[in-house]
Amino acid sequence: SAVISQKPSRDICQRGTSLTIQCQVDSQVTMMFWYRQQPGQSLTLIATANQGSEATYESGFVIDKFPISRPNLTFSTLTVSNMSPEDSSIYLCSVPDSYQETQYFGPGTRLLVL
Amino acid sequence: AQSVSQHNHHVILSEAASLELGCNYSYGGTVNLFWYVQYPGQHLQLLLKYFSGDPLVKGIKGFEAEFIKSKFSFNLRKPSVQWSDTAEYFCAVKTAGSYQLTFGKGTKLSVIP
Repeated sequence: SAVISQKPSRDICQRGTSLTIQCQVDSQVTMMFWYRQQPGQSLTLIATANQGSEATYESGFVIDKFPISRPNLTFSTLTVSNMSPEDSSIYLCSVPDSYQETQYFGPGTRLLVL
Repeated sequence: AQSVSQHNHHVILSEAASLELGCNYSYGGTVNLFWYVQYPGQHLQLLLKYFSGDPLVKGIKGFEAEFIKSKFSFNLRKPSVQWSDTAEYFCAVKTAGSYQLTFGKGTKLSVIP
C-alpha cells in the first residue's frame, strides 16, 4: 500500500487569501486525485493530476480557483485561491493502487476560512 | 451520473449488537463497490470491495457486505460490534474500468461500551 502525507494537517485562514496544500507519496504514481469533503457531505472529486500534463477538473471546479501542480511522480500541490468561508472543508489527496482498482488516501487537510 | 446514498447519518449501538449500514447506488451498468472506514484521527482506509463473483464479500475486522444487484444495494454488516469499531463508514462506487470513485455522505457509528 502507498503511504501518503499531507501538509498542513489543518489551517485557519482569512477570506481572500490562498492556501497551498502539499501531498507526498512514498512511491511513484501516474495519477493523483484531489477531493473535497464539506461538512456533512460526501467526498467530491476536484481534479485528477497526471505528471507532465494539465490537471483534469470535474464539473463545478475550475483551475483559477484550485490550481494544481504535479512536478514529479511523488508530489502534488493543490491551492485554494481567494478563499471564502464556503471553502471550509477537508481536502484529501489519493492515489490508485497498483491494479487501479481502489485508492489510498492521505490524512487530509482541515481548512477553516474566517 | 452515479450517486450513492447511505441511509443513516449516525448510528449508536451497544457493544455486541449487530450492525447493518445501508448503501444504495444509482447506475445501470457494471460497477465496483467499496466500503471505506475512517477511524478517529486516522486516514480513510479500505474495508472491503466487490468487483465480481460471490456477492457476499468479507473484509477486515469481521465486516462483510452483500451486493444485491436487483436492489442496487451494498449493505455493510457485522454480527457483533466492538467499541473499536467506532468510526465513520463510507460507501463508494465506481464504474468498472474507470478510476473515479463516487462516495456516499458517510455514516458515523458510535459503539457504547
